[in-house]
Amino acid sequence: QSVLTQPPSVSGAPGQRVTISCTGSNSNIGAGYDVHWYQHLPGTAPQLLIYGNINRPSGVPDRFSGSKSGTSASLAITGLQAEDEADYYCQSYDSKLSWMFGGGTKVTVL
Amino acid sequence: EVQLVESGGGLVQPGGSLRLSCAASGFTFSSYWMHWVRQVPGKGLVWVSRINSDGSTTTYADSVKGRFTISRDNAKDTLYLQMNSLRAEDTAVYSCARASYYDSGGYQYYFDSWGQGTLVTVSS
Repeated sequence: QSVLTQPPSVSGAPGQRVTISCTGSNSNIGAGYDVHWYQHLPGTAPQLLIYGNINRPSGVPDRFSGSKSGTSASLAITGLQAEDEADYYCQSYDSKLSWMFGGGTKVTVL
Repeated sequence: EVQLVESGGGLVQPGGSLRLSCAASGFTFSSYWMHWVRQVPGKGLVWVSRINSDGSTTTYADSVKGRFTISRDNAKDTLYLQMNSLRAEDTAVYSCARASYYDSGGYQYYFDSWGQGTLVTVSS
């Protein structure tokens, strides 16, 4: 069981908006450690989507956005596309456990 | 273009050892912290270990502490993971990842480049 909690799955129709939550605690997100998000297609290398809670690396579409509040963070995908079907992971740092990932969320495009 | 290519995975018996390598190219390897992350097939990503840029400090997840050793050879642009006393629960795809950072109330690290991974299977 991951210290960062994500919903196992979310789904949406093409064009819709979906959000993925990442809930931590006062020893990680709540302690001021930032949250980063990755997209992972099985069999391929994970790709950085969001770093520092809200920042998109160059090349990442602006359909992806991140936010953080208190002990939680969220990733939003607007204008959902078929190519967005993948696993998504949040990542942060914990003062007791070092680097850590959420359990992952599978996004399904209906 | 940044490239990270892992090798050294395979089938090993419980209690055995294996050494993974991660060959880096396309960037100044000696300037970056490097990490190992693993994924049990069908499960999520799990952080394993990290090493700083000159190899002087290391950190491990509790699950591998005392059994795994991370190291690097900056002259060869290569990261290593020596895995000893392997257990069935160590079966996973092991990936290396480059860490970048920024200063925001302390250094904040994130993984901006990853390899595709190498499969380690621990079974008799």
